[in-house]
Amino acid sequence: SQTIHQWPATLVQPVGSPLSLECTVEGTSNPNLYWYRQAAGRGLQLLFYSVGIGQISSEVPQNLSASRPQDRQFILSSKKLLLSDSGFYLCAGKLPGRDYGYTFGSGTRLTVV
Amino acid sequence: AQKITQTQPGMFVQEKEAVTLDCTYDTSDPSYGLFWYKQPSSGEMIFLIYQGSYDQQNATEGRYSLNFQKARKSANLVISASQLGDSAMYFCAMRERLLTSGGSYIPTFGRGTSLIVHP
Repeated sequence: SQTIHQWPATLVQPVGSPLSLECTVEGTSNPNLYWYRQAAGRGLQLLFYSVGIGQISSEVPQNLSASRPQDRQFILSSKKLLLSDSGFYLCAGKLPGRDYGYTFGSGTRLTVV
Repeated sequence: AQKITQTQPGMFVQEKEAVTLDCTYDTSDPSYGLFWYKQPSSGEMIFLIYQGSYDQQNATEGRYSLNFQKARKSANLVISASQLGDSAMYFCAMRERLLTSGGSYIPTFGRGTSLIVHP
C-alpha cells in the first residue's frame, strides 16, 4: 500500500537549535510531496512542495528550508528555530495512480521553548 | 485574497441530524479539484470526498455529499445523519495549477470548521 511516514511524532526544541523532520514515502515512486504547518486552531499553511529529486518550491519565506535528496524522501530543516516555528507539521503526497485526494503522514508536533 | 474560505469557525449539530459546512473558493485554473478532509483530535488528516471542476454530478461518499455550485464557486460539504464520531475539524481544500508550479497541482486548504455533534 502507498503510505507516508513521518517522524518524530512530537518534538520539543530550544530556541536557536536546529531542526530536521523527515518524511518518507512507501509503495510508490515519483510522488509530488508537500510540507504544511498548522498553527494551533488554524488551517494548513503550505510551506514547500517538490515535484522531484532536488526540486523544491517555497511558498512562504521563513526560517525553514526543505530538501529532497531521494525520490521518496522529503526533509524539512531549520538552522535556528524560533518560537514562532512551533506548530503541527504535516507531510503530504500526491501519489501516482490516485486521482483523488492527497495522502498525509501522521504529523510532527513541534514545540519550541 | 484567500483561495479557500470557510466562514464557519464552529458548528454544532444534534446527533442524527444533517449539517452543511460551507466552503467557497477562488481560482483562475479551469481544471481544478475540490476536497474535504476530516481532522480528529489525533491530528491525522482523513480524506472524505473529491469533486472535479468538470464533474457534472455532485460527489457523494456514504453519508458525505458535496454540494457543488460552480457559478457561485461554492463547494459545501453535507453530512447526513450526524454521528458522535463526526466531531472533528473539517477542511475544505482545492488543487489548482499555478503559473509558478510548472503544471503541477498545488493543494491549498481553508482555515477549517470545528464540528461538534451533540448526543
